[in-house]
Parts: sequence; C-alpha cells; structure tokens
Amino acid sequence: DQQVKQNSPSLSVQEGRISILNCDYTNSMFDYFLWYKKYPAEGPTFLISISSIKDKNEDGRFTVFLNKSAKHLSLHIVPSQPGDSAVYFCAAMPTGANSKLTFGKGITLSVRP
Amino acid sequence: KAGVTQTPRYLIKTRGQQVTLSCSPISGHRSVSWYQQTPGQGLQFLFEYFSETQRNKGNFPGRFSGRQFSNSRSEMNVSTLELGDSALYLCASSLEGLAFSYEQYFGPGTRLTVT
Repeated sequence: DQQVKQNSPSLSVQEGRISILNCDYTNSMFDYFLWYKKYPAEGPTFLISISSIKDKNEDGRFTVFLNKSAKHLSLHIVPSQPGDSAVYFCAAMPTGANSKLTFGKGITLSVRP
Repeated sequence: KAGVTQTPRYLIKTRGQQVTLSCSPISGHRSVSWYQQTPGQGLQFLFEYFSETQRNKGNFPGRFSGRQFSNSRSEMNVSTLELGDSALYLCASSLEGLAFSYEQYFGPGTRLTVT
C-alpha cells in the first residue's frame, strides 16, 4: 500500500509558467514532508520541506503548501525554468526516534523553452 | 567537503549470485541509509545504520543485509539475486540520522542489473 502517492507520473510546462506538483499521503502519523529533485545519473537532492505545524513554506521560486485535513501537499515552482526539468519526489516521515522516510514514486517535470 | 560516494556505479550480475555494494558517507556523518529505486515502486527504504548498528529497517526480505564499519563506511549485500532486484541502489548520509536532522545527502547510486 502506497502511503505517499504522486498520481501524475509526468508534467510538462512552458518556461516562465507555474509548475504545480501534487502529492497525497494516507498515514496520519506523518508530520514532516520533504521534496527532493533528481537528475539522471545523480542522487536526489533536497529541495524544500514543511512541518505539519505550518501550511506554507517558501524558498525562492519554490513554495510547498500543506493541507493536513486533505492529507495533500503541493510544490509550486514559479517561474519554471528549463533547468528545473527533473524527477521530483515527495517524501514524508513521522518525527521521533527511528524515523524513516517514505517516498512517492516521483513526477517527471519537463519545462519547455 | 567530498560528497557521498558509492562503488561500483554499475554492476551486472546473474540470477542466484550475490552482490556487495559500498557507500562512503560525508566525512563526520555517522548515519547511512540505503534505498532501492525502481520505476514501479519509486524510492523504498532498506535500512539505516548508525555507529555500526542497524537502527531501522524497511520491508525487504532477509536476502538484503548491510553493515557499517567503524569509519562509518557501509556495505549492503544482496544474496541469491532475483530479476526483480534490478534497481538503482542509493545511499544517503547524515550527521545523526533522520530522528535528529532532516538533512541527508544522497550518493549517485549503484545501478544493478540482474540477468
């Protein structure tokens, strides 16, 4: 059973427009959420995170929104750039001892010049 | 500061064989986690080692095992390889582990192909 779901496997947007990547989770024990970006032949790199006590976190062009009641989070990239083309993974974890990350399957974002 | 290194980068093995993958964490990091990435399942947590002890384990069969050495370098072993073990194996290092910090750094991975 997938506890973190990224239902859209791919997304294509025009350069300069907004990219919205969605993620849903089922485990109510998750209270910390992260987004990772992965280029081919490289490991994932941390992008942005959000704690369950917040509903929004912003870092430059990247904003993550969390809707706890809907168990849904989204990553907004504005404006999108061709260098943002990559696979984006949503991940979630409960805080506390022996925490481990549960990842979604990833979304491939293509930003067209 | 050097990043996380994994060796080998690519590996081809035959079904039934066993394989050992290596991960060297960032200097000073004591926690190493291993993940399996496949197209169908995404990234799945295998196990975490901290100070030479397995601290956490995912839902993988006993054919998957690991260890950590006193210098924090870690190895994972897969015995009796199956075709479904073909995947990208990623390791990630962090100072103290996810229970204390959300910052972990991934290596480039080892691409294992089982034929």
